[in-house]
Amino acid sequence: ETGVTQTPRHLVMGMTNKKSLKCEQHLGHNAMYWYKQSAKKPLELMFVYSLEERVENNSVPSRFSPECPNSSHLFLHLHTLQPEDSALYLCASSQVARATNEKLFFGSGTQLSVL
Amino acid sequence: DAKTTQPPSMDCAEGRAANLPCNHSTISGNEYVYWYRQIHSQGPQYIIHGLKNNETNEMASLIITEDRKSSTLILPHATLRDTAVYYCIVRVVDSSASKIIFGSGTRLSIRP
Repeated sequence: ETGVTQTPRHLVMGMTNKKSLKCEQHLGHNAMYWYKQSAKKPLELMFVYSLEERVENNSVPSRFSPECPNSSHLFLHLHTLQPEDSALYLCASSQVARATNEKLFFGSGTQLSVL
Repeated sequence: DAKTTQPPSMDCAEGRAANLPCNHSTISGNEYVYWYRQIHSQGPQYIIHGLKNNETNEMASLIITEDRKSSTLILPHATLRDTAVYYCIVRVVDSSASKIIFGSGTRLSIRP
């Protein structure tokens, strides 16, 4: 148990569906992150939030829409996804976003399949 | 960002020390070396990090060379539960955020 909880654990959706991934951290951290891990590829950083403000957007397509209503919760809203978006989506948190000496704590991820 | 190079795979006998190497020859003075591991289909788990000095915690030891161009993660008594992908990462702060960028890592297999 890392203190970062992601739901759902598994999600299957069609290309026309709209769904949301949820992440909650119980660590009192101020920075939260979304990573994507496709099969046989390294983790890709998607978004970084610091104190509920988005500070990094790594050229992610607009069909992925993040939301950070407070420092404990992070959402990833999905719409009109493509089959190549099937991947493990990982949420992480850290105390602050701009420090070289910070650990990331990851959730267990949501395994997404787009049909 | 500094780049790291790791062997794609290694194996080690259970109970022996596992030594995982990492090259980061372009590392700069303010960049820490981090190690994470990822057990199949789970999120990465933090192991250890360091700047210049060798570090040890309850999970592992980190040996950083004097010129900081390479490091070694040591798992002193490997168990089957240590089978995972191990990532060596250097972290840098830019104008927006501190980024942890993952490479391909080393797939460590522990044999009974």
